Amino acid sequence: TQLLEQSPQFLSIQEGENLTVYCNSSSVFSSLQWYRQEPGEGPVLLVTVVTGGEVKKLKRLTFQFGDARKDSSLHITAAQPGDTGLYLCAGDNAGNNRKLIWGLGTSLAVNP
Amino acid sequence: DTAVSQTPKYLVTQMGNDKSIKCEQNLGHDTMYWYKQDSKKFLKIMFSYNNKELIINETVPNRFSPKSPDKAHLNLHINSLELGDSAVYFCASSQGVGGRKETQYFGPGTRLLVL
Repeated sequence: TQLLEQSPQFLSIQEGENLTVYCNSSSVFSSLQWYRQEPGEGPVLLVTVVTGGEVKKLKRLTFQFGDARKDSSLHITAAQPGDTGLYLCAGDNAGNNRKLIWGLGTSLAVNP
Repeated sequence: DTAVSQTPKYLVTQMGNDKSIKCEQNLGHDTMYWYKQDSKKFLKIMFSYNNKELIINETVPNRFSPKSPDKAHLNLHINSLELGDSAVYFCASSQGVGGRKETQYFGPGTRLLVL
């Protein structure tokens, strides 16, 4: 069974701090997505990474796909209260089952 | 304009009842999904339909039955509700056949509480 492990599970920081969230697996993925879910809402896609070693930036968020395409990280610079939410990674195993493998999520709280 | 909509947003019901949750997407997508998110926030896929055809059917009790009258709608009917069914149910859609690099667009969720 493929699993995506995310760490840390919970993170509470002060506004202005930097943080990194990790998404790890022993399996190779053809692509990996990061979603953010705000309280009371459904997940919303932030980015999709496809190539091993790829780095994508979305304002203060930097996403990296591991060289071996087994892991990914999300780094947030100068976190703001608006970054609060549940961050989920989801991998596509390129198999025929047509479903994403979802991580358990990192719940981030940024305090003013 | 709401891309993926679900009704109702909240559902409180007694154990043993039968209930339905409706989902509609106006994005013209071919694939729709139902997910269950438990109290620990784990998002677990239940079903996926592509052009009204069932393509993913995870290990879900057969009390749960999806129905897709057309590719813009995927409803979820639950028979004989149990306490453990309490969760948030999300509907989602994507453009192609599902999975692979495609953005999934989620509805706002239906919060089901079984008493």
